[in-house]
Amino acid sequence: EAGVTQSPTHLIKTRGQQVTLRCSPISGHTSVYWYQQALGLGLQFLLWYDEGEERNRGNFPPRFSGRQFPNYSSELNVNALELEDSALYLCASSPGNVAHSTDTQYFGPGTRLTVL
Amino acid sequence: AQSVTQPDIHITVSEGASLELRCNYSYGATPYLFWYVQSPGQGLQLLLKYFSGDTLVQGIKGFEAEFKRSQSSFNLRKPSVHWSDAAEYFCAVGAWGATNKLIFGTGTLLAVQP
Repeated sequence: EAGVTQSPTHLIKTRGQQVTLRCSPISGHTSVYWYQQALGLGLQFLLWYDEGEERNRGNFPPRFSGRQFPNYSSELNVNALELEDSALYLCASSPGNVAHSTDTQYFGPGTRLTVL
Repeated sequence: AQSVTQPDIHITVSEGASLELRCNYSYGATPYLFWYVQSPGQGLQLLLKYFSGDTLVQGIKGFEAEFKRSQSSFNLRKPSVHWSDAAEYFCAVGAWGATNKLIFGTGTLLAVQP
């Protein structure tokens, strides 16, 4: 069974640009989560999608947004990139929906974003 | 506030030696606890999890962890470390319900000496 997949693997952008990261969950999983792992800041929760709806977001500005598609894959969009957005962006999926919120999260390999 | 503390930023052990990585949590309700491992440039791999029941949980790669409610701890152990265990280890608590997020510790970087 395929795990969580993310694309692209690496991205280099310049300040002010916009970027879209993609994530495909494990087959059968309906929840997708996004985390940011920035140097010195650790792993920070960004967004949670389930059944196509944004269920929760972390303490990030509105230029971080995303969506979940009917096939449960997800995109993370970051507008007006800043230098401090350079990080590894990790996507995770879990099998449950809101009613099964104790499900384990399984992570993808991440997308390394560098902002110059 | 919910939080996870991993007191050791960096640990070096010799191959074949035993290992214990510390994790302390702060959480108001019954915690759901996890250990993940991250190799350089990679995503997170789940080692083990504790939801309820037996407080000693077994994971993959020969790892185990013990939940101690009285000490708010969930330490990770391995009796004999292999060179391939060199990686960064993250403890996390699941903040379920409306937020459904994982709260991670800052990680412990494990180096293995030959």
